[in-house]
Amino acid sequence: KQEVTQIPAALSVPEGENLVLNCSFTDSAIYNLQWFRQDPGKGLTSLLLIQSSQREQTSGRLNASLDKSSGRSTLYIAASQPGDSATYLCALDRGAGSYQLTFGKGTKLSVIP
Amino acid sequence: NAGVTQTPKFQVLKTGQSMTLQCAQDMNHEYMSWYRQDPGMGLRLIHYSVGAGITDQGEVPNGYNVSRSTTEDFPLRLLSAAPSQTSVYFCATLGRSTDTQYFGPGTRLTVL
Repeated sequence: KQEVTQIPAALSVPEGENLVLNCSFTDSAIYNLQWFRQDPGKGLTSLLLIQSSQREQTSGRLNASLDKSSGRSTLYIAASQPGDSATYLCALDRGAGSYQLTFGKGTKLSVIP
Repeated sequence: NAGVTQTPKFQVLKTGQSMTLQCAQDMNHEYMSWYRQDPGMGLRLIHYSVGAGITDQGEVPNGYNVSRSTTEDFPLRLLSAAPSQTSVYFCATLGRSTDTQYFGPGTRLTVL
């Protein structure tokens, strides 16, 4: 069974700092990996999706990487802002037409002004 | 284009009561699913549907029923609510042209 771990569970950084969020998984047979953002009391918003054949994806200040051989993904946030404060979740789709996501428990990020 | 909508936003039930959580989408997405989110557990898949008339179980299906009569709607039914079903429920959709899943705003359910 696929297990997804996100460390740390919480992170507090000063505004302007670059930071990295980590996601590790136990089964490398994945279809894709997604990073989501969740604001308190809200739903999930997809940030980046990396297909199994890709190594990284970028969107603005965000960069996500995928290393299937080591079972790891990272989300890099450049020049953090208070508006980046949220919980970040990674999720894996095991493919085979299942579209079923296995989620990590998330990293709660606080960016201090 | 409203995306994915869920009703109600909040609900309090007594043990043994039944209710239906509604999910609707206007993106013509074939795939729809229900997740529950619990503290310390992350999101877990309850049921999913790959198209109208087709449903299947996810990781935690017990106590929940679903049906998919139209592309737009995917209701989740609790036949006899239990305190263990206290959770936040999210509906999600995905279209064949993209692998990105879109989530609704959630329904916060408390069972007393």
